[in-house]
Amino acid sequence: SAVISQKPSRDICQRGTSLTIQCQVDSQVTMMFWYRQQPGQSLTLIATANQGSEATYESGFVIDKFPISRPNLTFSTLTVSNMSPEDSSIYLCSVEGELAGPTDTQYFGPGTRLTVL
Amino acid sequence: GENVEQHPSTLSVQEGDSAVIKCTYSDSASNYFPWYKQELGKRPQLIIDIRSNVGEKKDQRIAVTLNKTAKHFSLHITETQPEDSAVYFCAAGTGNQFYFGTGTSLTVIP
Repeated sequence: SAVISQKPSRDICQRGTSLTIQCQVDSQVTMMFWYRQQPGQSLTLIATANQGSEATYESGFVIDKFPISRPNLTFSTLTVSNMSPEDSSIYLCSVEGELAGPTDTQYFGPGTRLTVL
Repeated sequence: GENVEQHPSTLSVQEGDSAVIKCTYSDSASNYFPWYKQELGKRPQLIIDIRSNVGEKKDQRIAVTLNKTAKHFSLHITETQPEDSAVYFCAAGTGNQFYFGTGTSLTVIP
């Protein structure tokens, strides 16, 4: 499967500021997704990052709060804007298969642990 | 959208016993059902998946069954070992977008 990295691995931020999280894959992938996992909770899909077009957001998540970029088939960013303590969570990117591989299967990056003070 | 329910939320078994985790889903259009294992502080790892055209799939000590009519699917782990201790998540969806269950914390007691 693809090797997926995320930067930063963790950060502590002040409320009102923004943080951009990067997700890098070592091979071209069709789909990239962003999830949030609050402590002790399940994974919640934030949005699908579409290459060359605007991201598709799930109910409860908006572009102004979580702008996403997908400039190519191996890279995406998620920005958490105007942060509040409620945004403290682990943010994970995932990728769907590889262009020459199985469809549907998602593989996860290591996650970014965000703490907002 | 899809709604996935998962039970139990916690499960303790003796080493060597079997563990069963059950999930239900709401959207009859869902056709892909993966299971992930997440150890503390680590990323979710895919352990097995099943598609709607198959009723059962097995991989060594792990098996998954799917009942499309009843909209439920289950994970079976046999001969459990302490290293099976983790949180397990089911998911259901279509194409390349799916939604996760609430997770089951499995503890295998040596």
